[in-house]
Amino acid sequence: GQQLNQSPQSMFIQEGEDVSMNCTSSSIFNTWLWYKQDPGEGPVLLIALYKAGELTSNGRLTAQFGITRKDSFLNISASIPSDVGIYFCAGQPLGAGGTSYGKLTFGQGTILTVHP
Amino acid sequence: DTGVSQDPRHKITKRGQNVTFRCDPISEHNRLYWYRQTLGQGPEFLTYFQNEAQLEKSRLLSDRFSAERPKGSFSTLEIQRTEQGDSAMYLCASSQTNQPQHFGDGTRLSIL
Repeated sequence: GQQLNQSPQSMFIQEGEDVSMNCTSSSIFNTWLWYKQDPGEGPVLLIALYKAGELTSNGRLTAQFGITRKDSFLNISASIPSDVGIYFCAGQPLGAGGTSYGKLTFGQGTILTVHP
Repeated sequence: DTGVSQDPRHKITKRGQNVTFRCDPISEHNRLYWYRQTLGQGPEFLTYFQNEAQLEKSRLLSDRFSAERPKGSFSTLEIQRTEQGDSAMYLCASSQTNQPQHFGDGTRLSIL
């Protein structure tokens, strides 16, 4: 099925470093979401973005909704060991009547490893 | 715990058997979604409900798959005549309209 192009596929960083990852699509999305998934668990919502150009923070995490509505970026500052996991972007198009269309399209994920 | 609940967490079955999974959404959420995730991939959309109405089904949802949400609360996903390729994590999510989806911890299906 269709998936977003997420990069990088994996990252190995030292504790304390900053991390950046991004997601691009050939389609316009009305909503961009970032999730983190730990082994054996479901994705956990980190940040939701609803407006082109929007920049939103959640603690050490900052995400941006691209102006073209076809991309999004996630930054993690001052990484710590518990940041280890798989990060997914997901896009949701606008449905009829202005409501959010149900289906989420996910990227392939970025595997983050943090060395103490 | 008021999150999305899925049961069972793991299911091992022989090829050709039928399996059924259950999802209990967050109580005030009117939308419920099913996704499938294979190793190294992001979740892929299968179907979703608004209240008891099934509004969309992916082409991934073959005629061996059926999902129900009879009273607009919990949902079941049944796979008939399971095949090796059905081995995956089946994730359920719920939301209110125009709100982000929250996921359960999934049911991992292994076909022997």
